[in-house]
Amino acid sequence: ELKVEQNPLFLSMQEGKNYTIYCNYSTTSDRLYWYRQDPGKSLESLFVLLSNGAVKQEGRLMASLDTKARLSTLHITAAVHDLSATYFCAVDRDDKIIFGKGTRLHILP
Amino acid sequence: DTGVSQDPRHKITKRGQNVTFRCDPISEHNRLYWYRQTLGQGPEFLTYFQNEAQLEKSRLLSDRFSAERPKGSFSTLEIQRTEQGDSAMYLCASRGWAGVYNEQFFGPGTRLTVL
Repeated sequence: ELKVEQNPLFLSMQEGKNYTIYCNYSTTSDRLYWYRQDPGKSLESLFVLLSNGAVKQEGRLMASLDTKARLSTLHITAAVHDLSATYFCAVDRDDKIIFGKGTRLHILP
Repeated sequence: DTGVSQDPRHKITKRGQNVTFRCDPISEHNRLYWYRQTLGQGPEFLTYFQNEAQLEKSRLLSDRFSAERPKGSFSTLEIQRTEQGDSAMYLCASRGWAGVYNEQFFGPGTRLTVL
């Protein structure tokens, strides 16, 4: 059974600091996704990672994928308050997408 | 608007009543997914369709839940004899075959509250 684990589940950090969210998954997969969710809202796609060593960056967020270690990271650089949200990683295998529990990120001004 | 749409956005019902939600995917997307998200959790896969065929159902989808996609376009999710534990956000997503990324696009969700 495909399992996706994120850590930490909660993260409170100061503006301007850097931090990394980790996503481990249990079996091989076709794609890995990162999503953002604001309270009461739906999911916004951030990144789609396909292959080993893939790295994508958008603004202060950078995602990477290590398929051998079955690990993806979401790195936040010089955090700003607007990045406060819940971040989910999700793994795609055989057309079925399984989500982690999410990392609730709170950035203090 | 060419995104995934869901209706209604909010539904409040009494325990024991039946409810039905609708999802309209992005046109030409042949795959459609339903998820349930409870407070503080990630979305949990319920079921998905490829065209009109329902290809997989989660163990979470009890006998009280039924989903259809009769013409391979919009889909409905019905919950019979609702229970308080059914209170959640129900998310729909669609994806096509085009492009290597082949990602899902989510609708705004239907928030169900069972009193």
